Amino acid sequence: QSVLTQPPSASGTPGQTVTISCSGSSSNIGSNDVYWYQQVPGTAPKLLIYRNNQRPSGVPDRFSGSKSGTSTSLAISGLRSEDEADYYCSAWDDSLSGPVFGGGTKLTVL
Amino acid sequence: QLQLQESGPGLVKPSETLSLTCTVAGDFISSSSQYWGWIRQPPGKGLEWIGSIFYSGSTYHNPSLKSRVTMSVDTSKNHFSLKLRSVTAADTAVYYCARLHYDSGLDVWGKGTTVIVS
Repeated sequence: QSVLTQPPSASGTPGQTVTISCSGSSSNIGSNDVYWYQQVPGTAPKLLIYRNNQRPSGVPDRFSGSKSGTSTSLAISGLRSEDEADYYCSAWDDSLSGPVFGGGTKLTVL
Repeated sequence: QLQLQESGPGLVKPSETLSLTCTVAGDFISSSSQYWGWIRQPPGKGLEWIGSIFYSGSTYHNPSLKSRVTMSVDTSKNHFSLKLRSVTAADTAVYYCARLHYDSGLDVWGKGTTVIVS
């Protein structure tokens, strides 16, 4: 059972916009920054979004993050086949004194 | 460019101790703006934070792993290590090391190493 809650799957067709949600609590998302990671099967996770809505260099602006209260979401616009991967939300948890993760959302590009 | 590389046995017997090392290249492990962390991923499952260590030796670890975890850092070798005692099949996972930056989070990851408890 993950601390943060994500839908297990999402899908879209090329060119569409897909949104992945993530909910937490006041001890994590509600009081700390949110991070999103992309994991292509068989590879290590890759930082996609940091501090709620910032993109590391090299991450396309098709990826955007937002946060409101104890929830956050990742939007992927102009969906491409290479976006097919697992996506994880994460936030620091004050009770744990460490990062917590969502269970992951498997994105399928139809 | 910062790179991390995990190393250690891929097979550990139940009740024994899992030992992994993460070698840091491209930056000093003693930089003040970052912790160094361990994260694992059981087969077909999500990510679980194991713990983090500062170059000074200060640590945080996931309470769910109770007192089985020991982390250490060797600044002379620019690496940090994880020991997980009394392992069971539930500890079978891909183990990742990563940099935990105060601003950008877990921004650099190792490729991961698979550890099977059997």
